[in-house]
Amino acid sequence: QKEVEQNSGPLSVPEGAIASLNCTYSDRVSQSFFWYRQYSGKSPELIMSIYSNGDKEDGRFTAQLNKASQYVSLLIRDSQPSDSATYLCAVVNTGNQFYFGTGTSLTVIP
Amino acid sequence: GAVVSQHPSWVICKSGTSVKIECRSLDFQATTMFWYRQFPKQSLMLMATSNEGSKATYEQGVEKDKFLINHASLTLSTLTVTSAHPEDSSFYICSVSRVSNTEAFFGQGTRLTVV
Repeated sequence: QKEVEQNSGPLSVPEGAIASLNCTYSDRVSQSFFWYRQYSGKSPELIMSIYSNGDKEDGRFTAQLNKASQYVSLLIRDSQPSDSATYLCAVVNTGNQFYFGTGTSLTVIP
Repeated sequence: GAVVSQHPSWVICKSGTSVKIECRSLDFQATTMFWYRQFPKQSLMLMATSNEGSKATYEQGVEKDKFLINHASLTLSTLTVTSAHPEDSSFYICSVSRVSNTEAFFGQGTRLTVV
């Protein structure tokens, strides 16, 4: 398995704050990067995708990619209690195989 | 609506028996499907890549004779856990992608408990 590393957390932020999630990966030829949210006992659901260096914003979510540093992050602005979940970073190789990090558990405190 | 349908959503079986899990791509034909396993509080671990019309490709450490994968059509892949043991109890999830390097759509997952 290719290595994808995340801070396991748990990460706790107050409601309305910014949550910052980080991910590093080892395979330099990785093509695509995704952030998924997973609630306990459920399948992952896509939050963001990012393919090129820089920032990508979608509502309260911003993904950042730096291929030179092999680093991808997710910022959640105005965090809500409903954002409480495990966030999985996924890195895709040229064979379209997804490799996931261990996940970061986020708790947003009302 | 759902793009991928996985069945059953949960199953309890006795040790030594076999269990088959189905994964169906509902919206598009999928020449490739992926099978993952997730133990409690751990991430999804890729088990194998299911290839339509050919043998599956297994990740290192995954026993191909224990986890039988059949991808007989462009919309259906099955994973059979043979001679299941309690340590095989886990959450099994399949996924498909429309084209390379795009979003993966996940099935609902199957919670397998071996007693």
